[in-house]
Amino acid sequence: AQTVTQSQPEMSVQEAETVTLSCTYDTSESDYYLFWYKQPPSRQMILVIRQEAYKQQNATENRFSVNFQKAAKSFSLKISDSQLGDAAMYFCAYRRGGTSYDKVIFGPGTSLSVIP
Amino acid sequence: EPEVTQTPSHQVTQMGQEVILRCVPISNHLYFYWYRQILGQKVEFLVSFYNNEISEKSEIFDDQFSVERPDGSNFTLKIRSTKLEDSAMYFCASERYPGGGNEQFFGPGTRLTVL
Repeated sequence: AQTVTQSQPEMSVQEAETVTLSCTYDTSESDYYLFWYKQPPSRQMILVIRQEAYKQQNATENRFSVNFQKAAKSFSLKISDSQLGDAAMYFCAYRRGGTSYDKVIFGPGTSLSVIP
Repeated sequence: EPEVTQTPSHQVTQMGQEVILRCVPISNHLYFYWYRQILGQKVEFLVSFYNNEISEKSEIFDDQFSVERPDGSNFTLKIRSTKLEDSAMYFCASERYPGGGNEQFFGPGTRLTVL
């Protein structure tokens, strides 16, 4: 079974600084996707960034980037120039690839605080 | 921009009562999901639904739970006889195309409190 682990229940960062959130996962599949979701206090789950396992290049979306280490099964999220609006719960997530529709498997989350 | 909506935002019920949580997926989406998040815990998959049938369900989704797409726009989750441990945030999600890399669009959630 696939599992997703986030070892940092809470993190904090100074505004304008950079923070890295850690995630590891376990799977025997070769085709899969990894995601970072943001859940602000409003509770709506928002997709931040996704990474396809077959792509070696790390995904980036503006201030958000990932460090995908496939052999180590590690998928960390780096937030640069942190803003107050980045304060939220961040979930690392896994989804099997292919053309079938499948559930998303979430990690336990990391609560990020941004200090002004 | 189209979005998934859920009603009510907060539901309080007595143990043993039936509740129906409602979701309106994005209009051209074909695949639907329910997840739940017990306070302070991770988001867990409940059920997936396509073509008016359950595609997959987790061990949480026992006989007390059912899903339905009654009118082509709403997607509902019914809990027949609520238990205290059903208290959680329930998220609906939808997507248009199958495939692991596609984004599931999540609704804002319904907070269910069972007393």
